[in-house]
Amino acid sequence: DQQVKQNSPSLSVQEGRISILNCDYTNSMFDYFLWYKKYPAEGPTFLISISSIKDKNEDGRFTVFLNKSAKHLSLHIVPSQPGDSAVYFCAASALEGYSTLTFGKGTMLLVSP
Amino acid sequence: DGGITQSPKYLFRKEGQNVTLSCEQNLNHDAMYWYRQDPGQGLRLIYYSQIVNDFQKGDIAEGYSVSREKKESFPLTVTSAQKNPTAFYLCASSRSSGRGMGGYTFGSGTRLTVV
Repeated sequence: DQQVKQNSPSLSVQEGRISILNCDYTNSMFDYFLWYKKYPAEGPTFLISISSIKDKNEDGRFTVFLNKSAKHLSLHIVPSQPGDSAVYFCAASALEGYSTLTFGKGTMLLVSP
Repeated sequence: DGGITQSPKYLFRKEGQNVTLSCEQNLNHDAMYWYRQDPGQGLRLIYYSQIVNDFQKGDIAEGYSVSREKKESFPLTVTSAQKNPTAFYLCASSRSSGRGMGGYTFGSGTRLTVV
């Protein structure tokens, strides 16, 4: 049973526009969330994170929003650039003992010039 | 520069053979992890280790084995018991549980193909 869900396998956006990637989770114990970016044949790299005590976190062009009541988070990229084309993974962690990261299946973002 | 190194980048194995994937880190991280990526499946946890000489099974440990004799090293053996070993394998490390400070640091992966 998937605890972290990324329901859109892919997303296409034009350069300069906003990209919005969505993630839903089912485990109410999750309280720390991360987004990773992955290029083909490479390992994921950390992008941005958010703790459940916040509802928004910004880092340059990247903003993550967390809606705890809906168990939903989203990553906004503004403006989108062709170099942002990659697979984006949402991950979550629970504050219960030693908790590993649980990943979603990823969303492939394609930003066209 | 500190980092995490996986080798080899590409690996071919004949059916019925065991194969070991290497993972080394010089980040002084306590915890290390092995994930498997398949198309449309995301990242699935195979094994993880919080400290030297200790490791736990993840969600898909069957057909795999690991060891953690040194803090820097966490090799993964794919045994002949693994029914579908062809995949992209990712090793990661973190300070403690990986909560905060960017979570995990990943290696660049090993593509294993059974021929």
